[in-house]
Amino acid sequence: DAGITQSPRYKITETGRQVTLMCHQTWSHSYMFWYRQDLGHGLRLIYYSAAADITDKGEVPDGYVVSRSKTENFPLTLESATRSQTSVYFCASSAGNNEQFFGPGTRLTVL
Amino acid sequence: AQSVTQLDSQVPVFEEAPVELRCNYSSSVSVYLFWYVQYPNQGLQLLLKYLSGSTLVKGINGFEAEFNKSQTSFHLRKPSVHISDTAEYFCAVSENEKLTFGTGTRLTIIP
Repeated sequence: DAGITQSPRYKITETGRQVTLMCHQTWSHSYMFWYRQDLGHGLRLIYYSAAADITDKGEVPDGYVVSRSKTENFPLTLESATRSQTSVYFCASSAGNNEQFFGPGTRLTVL
Repeated sequence: AQSVTQLDSQVPVFEEAPVELRCNYSSSVSVYLFWYVQYPNQGLQLLLKYLSGSTLVKGINGFEAEFNKSQTSFHLRKPSVHISDTAEYFCAVSENEKLTFGTGTRLTIIP
């Protein structure tokens, strides 16, 4: 079905491990985004991408890595997970008209 | 830099009563404003948006918002709420395709 999907939906990992969260959209939107949602902070932008092979930092990029080799995919990697990265992660995409569509989220727990 | 302030973290309202959720913003460029709703354990869904034109914007589920440039506000209103409106509501401002969110307002409907 068309839309934006995220996997896994839930993930538990340990401090120091590498974790990759996947995001896939079927609209061929040029823009894609990663946010984290924490109580008291709303959603904060981690990284974004304006097109394949073009990425840039958002408000809270430290500890995260992204890539975008294909327009439809935008994986987010935590190279060495820390407890402070326990959060709900949302992926979003946009056609470049300022309206973003969000995925269902990934709840990540780092023990 | 842009920012969004949602002064009320929680708003309890009796069923069928009116509600207003407040949002104030700051932005140095053209303003694009959004309200998103997040139902429990779900992603964000666009309620309404202001890009240009009429300052009164109507959205889904009977919600509307008014853009007030002089007061830098974009308050969300509904004349009569329903139990199903229980959710978290986020105001956001867009600059160069990047969204900055407020910290959210939890709307609780009292039967």
